[in-house]
Amino acid sequence: NAGVTQTPKFRILKIGQSMTLQCTQDMNHNYMYWYRQDPGMGLKLIYYSVGAGITDKGEVPNGYNVSRSTTEDFPLRLELAAPSQTSVYFCASSYVGAGTEAFFGQGTRLTVV
Amino acid sequence: DAKTTQPTSMDCAEGRAANLPCNHSTISGNEYVYWYRQIHSQGPQYIIHGLKNNETNEMASLIITEDRKSSTLILPHATLRDTAVYYCIVRVLGSGGSNYKLTFGKGTLLTVNP
Repeated sequence: NAGVTQTPKFRILKIGQSMTLQCTQDMNHNYMYWYRQDPGMGLKLIYYSVGAGITDKGEVPNGYNVSRSTTEDFPLRLELAAPSQTSVYFCASSYVGAGTEAFFGQGTRLTVV
Repeated sequence: DAKTTQPTSMDCAEGRAANLPCNHSTISGNEYVYWYRQIHSQGPQYIIHGLKNNETNEMASLIITEDRKSSTLILPHATLRDTAVYYCIVRVLGSGGSNYKLTFGKGTLLTVNP
């Protein structure tokens, strides 16, 4: 049982390049989330999904896109990378229901130069 | 979700209890109190949660005041590996995807000293 797996762990992008951050979970969770964390700050929600085929914006969605074609996978797409997107990105998943906890991946550290 | 207030940092001696406070004076009746921690930029780790009763698990205890406006996370015997940022979050439970998101503040940096 791997939990939430994110790839890659590290990436350097040039301004204007695009990339996809991968996230997969093997717990059959219906909810999945993408957060970013800037240095010294808390996590901010980018996008979330309540199930396959359903996604919605969080607090800071600009510059990102997501899709959820399966329960297991929730990739985050960066189009036209900018220095402001330099951050650590965390994916998380959870069940729906009272008192449930969210499980986080180990993060992807992205630098845009 | 209700806003929470936590001290920026705290110190604790190894082997002693660490008591981390959280103020959530605007909490609603259907909001749970959750605690997560983040060790050295790893992914956040769930610790414990509660609604109005005190809770205990293998990691920690959660004490919620009777009026639910504040709570305390207790690590009974802190070790050096407990050095981390601890986040107190209040989270409404109900239908709809946005209700399940976790809103993180800046948390409390707990430093456990030898």
